Amino acid sequence: KAGVTQTPRYLIKTRGQQVTLSCSPISGHRSVSWYQQTPGQGLQFLFEYFSETQRNKGNFPGRFSGRQFSNSRSEMNVSTLELGDSALYLCASSLGAGTGIYEQYFGPGTRLTVT
Amino acid sequence: SQQGEEDPQALSIQEGENATMNCSYKTSINNLQWYRQNSGRGLVHLILIRSNEREKHSGRLRVTLDTSKKSSSLLITASRAADTASYFCATDAASNFGNEKLTFGTGTRLTIIP
Repeated sequence: KAGVTQTPRYLIKTRGQQVTLSCSPISGHRSVSWYQQTPGQGLQFLFEYFSETQRNKGNFPGRFSGRQFSNSRSEMNVSTLELGDSALYLCASSLGAGTGIYEQYFGPGTRLTVT
Repeated sequence: SQQGEEDPQALSIQEGENATMNCSYKTSINNLQWYRQNSGRGLVHLILIRSNEREKHSGRLRVTLDTSKKSSSLLITASRAADTASYFCATDAASNFGNEKLTFGTGTRLTIIP
């Protein structure tokens, strides 16, 4: 079975721009969650999608949004980028809803640099 | 905010020795998971232990959970160079019922010296 894939792997953007990151879950997994990892704040939960519905959301501003498609693929969007948005963005998929309940399978991440 | 904190923040041991990492958390949990992350890459799930369990094993890994002390430990026996990585505990707070989500700790950076 193919693992979780994320595209692109690396991205450089300018402050004020917007960016869209993509995540393809493991086949059969219906839950996709997103995390931001920075040296200062560590790993922080962004949101979880299950069956095309946002099931849970972390404490991030409205500039961070996401969606999930009928094939369970997910995208996250960050608008009006700030320097502090530079981070490794990780996507994870699991069989069922609730990241705390199920084993999470992580993708390799997208390294976003905002200049 | 971080729910869990790992201790120590960094650990260096000789290959073949055992490595022990600890995780403390603040609120009651439904379960606790341990993950490994190789430098700047995705996380790999190691073990999930439920709040009513005290110990779980998986290969060279042993995880214990003490809910009265709100702490967990991860023991890696007979360490190998390939075990060099950061290790994170992640908790699902009991208050999250119906809204379960993982909150990650700060991580322990483990270095195995060949």
